[in-house]
Amino acid sequence: EAGVAQSPRYKIIEKRQSVAFWCNPISGHATLYWYQQILGQGPKLLIQFQNNGVVDDSQLPKDRFSAERLKGVDSTLKIQPAKLEDSAVYLCASSLDRGWGEQYFGPGTRLTVT
Amino acid sequence: AQSVTQLDSQVPVFEEAPVELRCNYSSSVSVYLFWYVQYPNQGLQLLLKYLSGSTLVKGINGFEAEFNKSQTSFHLRKPSVHISDTAEYFCAVSASEKLVFGKGTKLTVNP
Repeated sequence: EAGVAQSPRYKIIEKRQSVAFWCNPISGHATLYWYQQILGQGPKLLIQFQNNGVVDDSQLPKDRFSAERLKGVDSTLKIQPAKLEDSAVYLCASSLDRGWGEQYFGPGTRLTVT
Repeated sequence: AQSVTQLDSQVPVFEEAPVELRCNYSSSVSVYLFWYVQYPNQGLQLLLKYLSGSTLVKGINGFEAEFNKSQTSFHLRKPSVHISDTAEYFCAVSASEKLVFGKGTKLTVNP
């Protein structure tokens, strides 16, 4: 079974530029999560999707971050414009359904904003 | 709201020695508890979880953890570590579907 795929793996941009990350969850997983992991900290949930609907986006900085999961499969997270403090690893995870099921994580995208 | 404190940011040990990684949580409601491992340049992998039942939980790779409600702790243990256990370990708590992670403990196993 293929795992959660993310691309790109690394991205370097200048502040005020825009950037997009892509995630393809495990086939059949209805729930998809985006996390932000700043160096030295644990992952922080940005947004949770159930199929193509948003379950929780309470910690997503909506003035600059956006995410979509149009067909209930893969997802895109965008930052526009980026700030220095957005430098982090962005992790995508998926689970079979909502609840206490195991979340499967992708390798992450390491973003550096200069 | 829930929070997690991992008491040690770094733990160095020698190969075949026992190890304990400490985790304390704070919550006003009942919670579920998790330990995840992150190897370099990889995503997180679930080691074990406590949802209910026996307070001693066994996970993958020989790890186990004990839920202690009175001390609000969920410490991770392994009786004998290997070089391959070198990684960062995250404790997480949830009172809903949302996971709240601690800051992580870097375990370094030396030969």
